[in-house]
Amino acid sequence: AQSVTQLDSQVPVFEEAPVELRCNYSSSVSVYLFWYVQYPNQGLQLLLKYLSGSTLVKGINGFEAEFNKSQTSFHLRKPSVHISDTAEYFCASYNNNDMRFGAGTRLTVKP
Amino acid sequence: NAGVTQTPKFRILKIGQSMTLQCAQDMNHNYMYWYRQDPGMGLKLIYYSVGAGITDKGEVPNGYNVSRSTTEDFPLRLELAAPSQTSVYFCASSLPGQGRAEAFFGQGTRLTVV
Repeated sequence: AQSVTQLDSQVPVFEEAPVELRCNYSSSVSVYLFWYVQYPNQGLQLLLKYLSGSTLVKGINGFEAEFNKSQTSFHLRKPSVHISDTAEYFCASYNNNDMRFGAGTRLTVKP
Repeated sequence: NAGVTQTPKFRILKIGQSMTLQCAQDMNHNYMYWYRQDPGMGLKLIYYSVGAGITDKGEVPNGYNVSRSTTEDFPLRLELAAPSQTSVYFCASSLPGQGRAEAFFGQGTRLTVV
């Protein structure tokens, strides 16, 4: 069975600093990978996805992620964060009707 | 452009009561999912459906039931509410294939069982 591990439950960072949110996945077969963002009291919104092709994928709000098959990782990055990026971020993998989520990383951007 | 609509947004139930969480989507997606979200635990899949008339259990199905009589609707039923079912419930839909697999989420239903 596939699983997703987000290595940091909380990431505090100052405004305009770079950030990386780490995600490792485990699966014996190829999977699709996603990052979602959840703002308070809202549902999840898709930030970006990796299905195939280029290992560097760009998403909305200036975020990007890199698929690394050898390290089974899909880390999310942003070169300069804003206060408005404060939210919960979820990594997810999908294979054969099964979408699994990590436990989430709370990103807090401080002024 | 409604997307995925969940009702109600909030509900308080007493132990042993039953209720149905409603979920409807207008995107003609064949796949639909129910998740529960607990603090620090991410989202756990309760049930999913790959089309009308077809449902299957996810990771945490105990205490819940679902039905899928139409493409649009995927209600989640709690028969005998227990405090352990206090959670935020999310419905989602997707249309896998042709480079798509992402799920679209509703706004959630916050359920408290007392």
